[in-house]
Amino acid sequence: AQKVTQAQTEISVVEKEDVTLDCVYETRDTTYYLFWYKQPPSGELVFLIRRNSFDEQNEISGRYSWNFQKSTSSFNFTITASQVVDSAVYFCALRIPGTASKLTFGTGTRLQVTL
Amino acid sequence: NAGVMQNPRHLVRRRGQEARLRCSPMKGHSHVYWYRQLPEEGLKFMVYLQKENIIDESGMPKERFSAEFPKEGPSILRIQQVVRGDSAAYFCASSPWATENTEAFFGQGTRLTVV
Repeated sequence: AQKVTQAQTEISVVEKEDVTLDCVYETRDTTYYLFWYKQPPSGELVFLIRRNSFDEQNEISGRYSWNFQKSTSSFNFTITASQVVDSAVYFCALRIPGTASKLTFGTGTRLQVTL
Repeated sequence: NAGVMQNPRHLVRRRGQEARLRCSPMKGHSHVYWYRQLPEEGLKFMVYLQKENIIDESGMPKERFSAEFPKEGPSILRIQQVVRGDSAAYFCASSPWATENTEAFFGQGTRLTVV
């Protein structure tokens, strides 16, 4: 069975601080896909990134970066120089072959960025 | 190209009533997924449908819940005889085809409150 663990329930930082959100996953499959979604206070789910299990290159997109480490089954997400608009719940998710687009989500990390 | 449209955004039902949640996928998408998000929890997969077919309903409660995706019209998630525990946000996602490296696009969700 698949599982995604986001051990950090809530994180509070001051604007301009860097923050890392942890994600640990479990699967027996060698091929899988990992995702991060953002859920702002308005409630919708915003897609941030998709990464397949064969691509361990870290990715940077503006202030966002992702560190994929197969050896530790982790796919951590870092926001550099956080802003108030980054305040949201962030979900990590896993998809395995044979399940089409069915996603297994973690329980989310609520990030609060204050001035 | 409009995104995934869910309506209503908010729905209040008394215990014992029926709730009907609608999801119109993105244009050209024939695969629909329903997820439920209980308060302070991550999203849990409920059901995956393709036009006129239920492909995977492994996450659907055995009683009172049903889903359909007719040839014409939106996908409907129906909850009969609602109870307080059904209060949650229900998200719909759609994708153009059923492969693991395809991103599923989420709607804004329907927040069901049972009073």
